[in-house]
Amino acid sequence: GQQVMQIPQYQHVQEGEDFTTYCNSSTTLSNIQWYKQRPGGHPVFLIQLVKSGEVKKQKRLTFQFGEAKKNSSLHITATQTTDVGTYFCAGTGFNKFYFGSGTKLNVKP
Amino acid sequence: DAGVTQSPTHLIKTRGQQVTLRCSPKSGHDTVSWYQQALGQGPQFIFQYYEEEERQRGNFPDRFSGHQFPNYSSELNVNALLLGDSALYLCASSSGGASDSYNEQFFGPGTRLTVL
Repeated sequence: GQQVMQIPQYQHVQEGEDFTTYCNSSTTLSNIQWYKQRPGGHPVFLIQLVKSGEVKKQKRLTFQFGEAKKNSSLHITATQTTDVGTYFCAGTGFNKFYFGSGTKLNVKP
Repeated sequence: DAGVTQSPTHLIKTRGQQVTLRCSPKSGHDTVSWYQQALGQGPQFIFQYYEEEERQRGNFPDRFSGHQFPNYSSELNVNALLLGDSALYLCASSSGGASDSYNEQFFGPGTRLTVL
């Protein structure tokens, strides 16, 4: 079965509020990637984290990879309506590539 | 520079039939991965092709098979279709890397398969 779990499943926020999605793996991951999928679209690559404890920022987005390389998070500061979509983490482990179940973000203007 | 392309965009089949989906990778990419995405779910990894060989495989039965051609394009074949095979099938391309490391993947628009 799938090894990568993601919470929450859904998140509704008011525009300007912050948002965080968490990704947890039962096993150590070699790396983790984050993708965004807009409604009706396909996943679009956001970032890849490789090192233990790594933190990367892209404008209002902050990505973290846990020290044990088993968890990761994506934090969006001051959400905008353009942030609407489903955010997936995807990790590599044991020569397999697993996507999380995704967190669907809805931003109310 | 064309991105990842997939054909057809939509397909309707009946149970027991066979289907072939096609993918052309982004220019400069040599690795193609296939995913199945059911409605409201995350993509499920089917397999990955590199140098015309299946390099990695997810938990999918042998009814799912594939092929990669010398020009790096790829096909996904599904035999003996079941109702549960109805999904969006995504192709993603990337550059070849170490067996346990995946580079940035570029996804195609997908093929929506409906099995009746």
